[in-house]
Amino acid sequence: GDSVTQMEGPVTLSEEAFLTINCTYTATGYPSLFWYVQYPGEGLQLLLKATKADDKGSNKGFEATYRKETTSFHLEKGSVQVSDSAVYFCALNVNQAGTALIFGKGTTLSVSS
Amino acid sequence: DGGITQSPKYLFRKEGQNVTLSCEQNLNHDAMYWYRQDPGQGLRLIYYSQIVNDFQKGDIAEGYSVSREKKESFPLTVTSAQKNPTAFYLCASSTTQGTNEKLFFGSGTQLSVL
Repeated sequence: GDSVTQMEGPVTLSEEAFLTINCTYTATGYPSLFWYVQYPGEGLQLLLKATKADDKGSNKGFEATYRKETTSFHLEKGSVQVSDSAVYFCALNVNQAGTALIFGKGTTLSVSS
Repeated sequence: DGGITQSPKYLFRKEGQNVTLSCEQNLNHDAMYWYRQDPGQGLRLIYYSQIVNDFQKGDIAEGYSVSREKKESFPLTVTSAQKNPTAFYLCASSTTQGTNEKLFFGSGTQLSVL
């Protein structure tokens, strides 16, 4: 079935370090791909998305490129801040009626000053 | 402001008791969802609804029930049949089902067993 696999956390970085969180997917058809972020005690917020191969989603310094050949959607940021500490979820939507978003297990990022 | 409101923020359940989690949205969205979040397991879909008076089971529907009598409301009942209900519950909505539209999430309800 359709699924999303994220790298295990937690990821611990110093401020201004480079961030990569790996995400790969298995899906039939041509899914849309998403990154959501969850701050402590809150719901999820959409961070960025890409709807077709080679699209790059970007927001708040974060980027991810839809790579169909490697079925990946890795999240990157060039210089993390303490305020980026949160849980990050990769997700896909197979764009078929009667389906909902499928989420990865989440990766916890902790950034220290 | 438009958004999704979940209540209560914290809820405690006694053995054998049914409890209901509220979810209301004023975004005029057709589709609504309930997810369960456990540490290290990500989000798992419980139920979803594409339209009023209709809903479908997700991956872990056993021990839960829902209703969708109004477009803006999608309450979730955790029944006594759910033997491990302690989790963080998230409600979400979107404009349409099965597209690349994003989900809007509420701030969640933490359910614990006394």
